[in-house]
Amino acid sequence: RKEVEQDPGPFNVPEGATVAFNCTYSNSASQSFFWYRQDCRKEPKLLMSVYSSGNEDGRFTAQLNRASQYISLLIRDSKLSDSATYLCVVKAAGNKLTFGGGTRVLVKP
Amino acid sequence: GEEVAQTPKHLVRGEGQKAKLYCAPIKGHSYVFWYQQVLKNEFKFLISFQNENVFDETGMPKERFSAKCLPNSPCSLEIQATKLEDSAVYFCASSQTGWTDQETQYFGPGTRLLVL
Repeated sequence: RKEVEQDPGPFNVPEGATVAFNCTYSNSASQSFFWYRQDCRKEPKLLMSVYSSGNEDGRFTAQLNRASQYISLLIRDSKLSDSATYLCVVKAAGNKLTFGGGTRVLVKP
Repeated sequence: GEEVAQTPKHLVRGEGQKAKLYCAPIKGHSYVFWYQQVLKNEFKFLISFQNENVFDETGMPKERFSAKCLPNSPCSLEIQATKLEDSAVYFCASSQTGWTDQETQYFGPGTRLLVL
């Protein structure tokens, strides 16, 4: 079983719609959680950190459920530029990052 | 610099040849990380450094991979006797301290290695 699992998608989303997807992690000692965005196998870029109480950054909302060991990302009012692969990233003790396989989102006009 | 720099952007090697990749972390960042991304988005942690010292090398293949971060020089990742399965994008990342839970790792543009 992978340490961080994601639905690979693709999620085909009409422009302006809302899309949400989750990832699950297996290491209960995980301490920090992030969503990164990757475009066409370029470098991953931090989208947002995920805090225990949940957090929002503009059109993006992240939630963390430690009991069930999953993290979610919701994108409201999707833009064409939101088309990308979204990587769920977890950090346990120490500082190396563990990546999920990514969820591909395609926003269409 | 303000960004993580990686060279070369692309590298093509015949099976059995050596490959050497370079990374310059963001100025002032103490931690450097190497990750390997193969097909289907699978990222694998290879090694991390705290300044010039190896911090965590649990992901490094023991036999053919080596890495260094020397003072006043870019960090390097070297693969001796490359194999077809080494074909991947190798990303370097850096962070300021490495100890804060929510601290961001900033990634370089990657080196695309193709082994033929």
